[in-house]
Amino acid sequence: QKEVEQDPGPLSVPEGAIVSLNCTYSNSAFQYFMWYRQYSRKGPELLMYTYSSGNKEDGRFTAQVDKSSKYISLFIRDSQPSDSATYLCAIRTRAGGTSYGKLTFGQGTILTVHP
Amino acid sequence: AAGVIQSPRHLIKEKRETATLKCYPIPRHDTVYWYQQGPGQDPQFLISFYEKMQSDKGSIPDRFSAQQFSDYHSELNMSSLELGDSALYFCASSVVGGNTQYFGPGTRLTVL
Repeated sequence: QKEVEQDPGPLSVPEGAIVSLNCTYSNSAFQYFMWYRQYSRKGPELLMYTYSSGNKEDGRFTAQVDKSSKYISLFIRDSQPSDSATYLCAIRTRAGGTSYGKLTFGQGTILTVHP
Repeated sequence: AAGVIQSPRHLIKEKRETATLKCYPIPRHDTVYWYQQGPGQDPQFLISFYEKMQSDKGSIPDRFSAQQFSDYHSELNMSSLELGDSALYFCASSVVGGNTQYFGPGTRLTVL
C-alpha cells in the first residue's frame, strides 16, 4: 500500500464548477502538505503549501488538512479550462536527522474543465 | 524569477549506454532533489544533496550516481541504461530545511 493515496480520476467538470481533490496518507510523521499542478510534459508547479490542520486559501484555491483523519483536500472554485492538468498531492516529514525533506507524492488526479 | 534549469530537455540513448543529466538550482538554494516519473506515474524520489553532500537516498538503482558541485549544480549519471529507465527526470531545489521544493521542467529520457 502506498503511503499516500490519491484518486487518479479522471475528473471532468464544466467551467465554473467547484472541484474537490483528495488524498489520504498513512504516516503520522508527515507534517507538511503540498499541492502541485502538472501540465502535460511539464514540471510540477507548486500551488499550495500548508503544515497545520485547517484551511488555507489562495485566490480560487483552498487547501484543507485534517491531521486526525490523515486526509487532505484541494478545492478549486470557479474552475476554468486553464485549470485542466494533473494535480498531485505531496507530503513530507519534518526535515532533520536522516531526512532532508523528500516528497512523497500521490498518484495524481487528471482534471479536465470543459467550456 | 529564476527557476530550476535542467539540461538536456530531451535525450535519446541506446540500451547499455550512459547518460548525464544536469540540474541548476534556483540561486541561493542549497538543496537539490532528483525524482523519476514514469509514464502515468507519480514522481518517485531518487536522491538528494545538501551542501554537496548526499543527504537522502530513495529508490535509486546502483547503476545511477549523482553529485552536487561547489556551485550547487547537480548531475545525475546513469550507466548501463535499460528500457525501463525511460522516464521524465525532475530536479527540484529548496533552501535547507525549506518547506517547499521548486521543480525544473524535467529531462525526458528515452532508451531504445
